[in-house]
Amino acid sequence: AQSVTQPDIHITVSEGASLELRCNYSYGATPYLFWYVQSPGQGLQLLLKYFSGDTLVQGIKGFEAEFKRSQSSFNLRKPSVHWSDAAEYFCAVGDPGGYQKVTFGTGTKLQVIP
Amino acid sequence: DVKVTQSSRYLVKRTGEKVFLECVQDMDHENMFWYRQDPGLGLRLIYFSYDVKMKEKGDIPEGYSVSREKKERFSLILESASTNQTSMYLCASSLGTGAYGNTEAFFGQGTRLTVV
Repeated sequence: AQSVTQPDIHITVSEGASLELRCNYSYGATPYLFWYVQSPGQGLQLLLKYFSGDTLVQGIKGFEAEFKRSQSSFNLRKPSVHWSDAAEYFCAVGDPGGYQKVTFGTGTKLQVIP
Repeated sequence: DVKVTQSSRYLVKRTGEKVFLECVQDMDHENMFWYRQDPGLGLRLIYFSYDVKMKEKGDIPEGYSVSREKKERFSLILESASTNQTSMYLCASSLGTGAYGNTEAFFGQGTRLTVV
């Protein structure tokens, strides 16, 4: 069965600093991979996705993620964090076959300090 | 824009009540999903549906059922609500035609259910 691990529950960064959120997945083949963001009181919004091809994926709001098959990782990065990036971030893995079920990690809550 | 609408943002129900959570999407998506979100546990899949009248159990289906009589509407039913079902419930939909890259899910705003 597919699974996702986000090892960091909370991360605090200073505004303007760089950010990396970790994500490791378990899946038998190359999965579909996603990063979603959830602002307080809101639903989830897709930041970026990976299906195949270039392993460095660009998303919205200046985010990018890199798929590393050898490490089963899909880490999210941003070179300079803004206060508005404070939110909870979820990594997810999708099953390309079957019923296309999507499994989410437990989330990483990002705090941005001035 | 894809719109996924959940009928209530907040609900308070009593233990033992039958509870219906409604979700409607306007993009003709095949797949629809119900997740519950709890602190520290992320989103856990309760049920999903890949076609009208079709449903599959997710990871935590116990105590829940679903109904999909029309393509755009997917209902989550708590047959007899219990306090451990107090949670945030999120509905999502995706295209799901088998085409490449179709598992992107679009989410509703969520329903925060409190069972007292």
